Amino acid sequence: DIQMTQSPSTLSASAGDRVTITCRASQSISTSLAWYQQKPGKAPKVLIYQASSLETGVPSRFSGSGSGTEFTLTISSLQPDDFATYFCQQYNSYPRTFGQGTKVDVK
Amino acid sequence: EVQLVESGGGLVQPGGSLRLSCAASGFIFTNYWMTWVRQAPGKGLEWVANINHDGSQTNYLDSLKGRITISRDNAKSSVYLQMNSLRAEDTAVYYCVRYLLWGPGTLVTVSS
Repeated sequence: DIQMTQSPSTLSASAGDRVTITCRASQSISTSLAWYQQKPGKAPKVLIYQASSLETGVPSRFSGSGSGTEFTLTISSLQPDDFATYFCQQYNSYPRTFGQGTKVDVK
Repeated sequence: EVQLVESGGGLVQPGGSLRLSCAASGFIFTNYWMTWVRQAPGKGLEWVANINHDGSQTNYLDSLKGRITISRDNAKSSVYLQMNSLRAEDTAVYYCVRYLLWGPGTLVTVSS
């Protein structure tokens, strides 16, 4: 199975900060990676697919990059609505696997 | 409106069975593979199974093989997850997922 490792596990930030979350795959997954945002009691929301494609309706302050084994999700200027947990997921091979999550909370 | 709505969750005793359903609407159901993902309380996301457009191909998480079956009814735009021999560790919210679209989830609680 491909292991997906996110860092950090928790990130404390303030509104307006630039935030970067990293996701590393245990083997190459090309660009078969998605990023999700999840708020308590809600289903995950797709932010980025194919490593860098912004899902329709997602604010442009979110961006994704990377290929192979290293990927990043960047929020250029953190907004109050962005405090949430973020997950990466690879869909290059079975079983599909997720990172353990990064919680972005208020500093 | 494009949406997925899960149903069938609830409280079940260890060793029991449950069949989850997911009703799709607002898109051409037969164009998509369909997936189930679960999330135990306070934990991360775990991919469970998926099924191709006509139901001829399925993939399962190895640790669940033999206890679960994914199926679909394209005439009803629905996908199902049959779960047998349920254990406490199967307690989770189960999400129905299409490419880039998630349902709100249905909670399965396995407890005596």
